Amino acid sequence: RKEVEQDPGPFNVPEGATVAFNCTYSNSASQSFFWYRQDCRKEPKLLMSVYSSGNEDGRFTAQLNRASQYISLLIRDSKLSDSATYLCVVNPPRIKAAGNKLTFGGGTRVLVKP
Amino acid sequence: EAGVTQFPSHSVIEKGQTVTLRCDPISGHDNLYWYRRVMGKEIKFLLHFVKESKQDESGMPNNRFLAERTGGTYSTLKVQPAELEDSGVYFCASSQESISYNEQFFGPGTRLTVL
Repeated sequence: RKEVEQDPGPFNVPEGATVAFNCTYSNSASQSFFWYRQDCRKEPKLLMSVYSSGNEDGRFTAQLNRASQYISLLIRDSKLSDSATYLCVVNPPRIKAAGNKLTFGGGTRVLVKP
Repeated sequence: EAGVTQFPSHSVIEKGQTVTLRCDPISGHDNLYWYRRVMGKEIKFLLHFVKESKQDESGMPNNRFLAERTGGTYSTLKVQPAELEDSGVYFCASSQESISYNEQFFGPGTRLTVL
């Protein structure tokens, strides 16, 4: 079983619509959770961190459900520029004092169309 | 402020040859990470430097891969000899020193093709 699993998509979304997708993680002791965005042939960039209480950044809302071990991302009022691959990223438990190696899901591709 | 830079952006080599990838982290970032994405798979951690010391190299696939960070500034990742399955995109990331999580900033990657 993969450590972080995502629906690869693509999610075809009409401009202005809302889209939501999840990812699941296998290690219940994982410490931190993030959504990264990756444009085609570009590097991943942090979109937002995910907190247990849920957090919102503009049109983006992230939720963490520790009991069920899943993370969600919701995009409201989708823009054409939201087309990208969204990577679910987990920071596993630390074995040493320092070390923030990230564990990535395979990504969910979102295509926003006019 | 300059971001993480990587060189080369692309490299095409033949099986059995040697390739060296370079990463220059953001100035002042003590943490430097190497990741790679092979075709059809997710991005995977390779190793982590804190300054010049290897903190975690649990993701290094085998002894054909050698990473260095002399002086705690830039880092190199050498693959010798390269195999077909080494093809993929190699990302470098850096972050500030902290006991808690700090955002990792990724470089544009080096696309390696082994023929």
